[in-house]
Amino acid sequence: QKEVEQNSGPLSVPEGAIASLNCTYSDRGSQSFFWYRQYSGKSPELIMFIYSNGDKEDGRFTAQLNKASQYVSLLIRDSQPSDSATYLCAVARYNTDKLIFGTGTRLQVFP
Amino acid sequence: KAGVTQTPRYLIKTRGQQVTLSCSPISGHRSVSWYQQTPGQGLQFLFEYFSETQRNKGNFPGRFSGRQFSNSRSEMNVSTLELGDSALYLCASTPVMLAGGNEQFFGPGTRLTVL
Repeated sequence: QKEVEQNSGPLSVPEGAIASLNCTYSDRGSQSFFWYRQYSGKSPELIMFIYSNGDKEDGRFTAQLNKASQYVSLLIRDSQPSDSATYLCAVARYNTDKLIFGTGTRLQVFP
Repeated sequence: KAGVTQTPRYLIKTRGQQVTLSCSPISGHRSVSWYQQTPGQGLQFLFEYFSETQRNKGNFPGRFSGRQFSNSRSEMNVSTLELGDSALYLCASTPVMLAGGNEQFFGPGTRLTVL
């Protein structure tokens, strides 16, 4: 079992729709959870982070964390073609900056 | 505020050679981590440094080493290069070193090709 699992996609959604990206993790010692966006040929860009159970909203993005189910998700509202990228889920244990990444979900937003 | 900078951006080496990559974190950031990204393995953690001390190391052979200087700049070295070392090497810096698990900001990466 991989430490962090994501569906590789591609996830195709029409412009204006909600894109839902999911991630599960196996280490119950994980304390910090991050979503990165990576465009082809570029480095990862941090878009959301969450530490506590529940929802965290930032603009069109909402991160959701359920530690009991070891599940973290990212919702993108009003999806735009410019959101088309690979979305990487990453987790870290307490007292370390070592990030464990999933393999990423490729999102395609079509006009 | 300037972002994380990495030099060089592109590098071509041959098997058996060694290479040194450099990373300058965002001003004020004291923690630096290194990652390797390949199509097959994805993003994998290499090292984590804080105050010139290696705090964590990933599952890579001893050919991979790193260090951090007093100004928080970091270098990583790969000796005796192998074809499989061809990858994008990413450096990330963290603003605050509290309990860890802090947000990391990535540099543009160094694309290493081993022939």
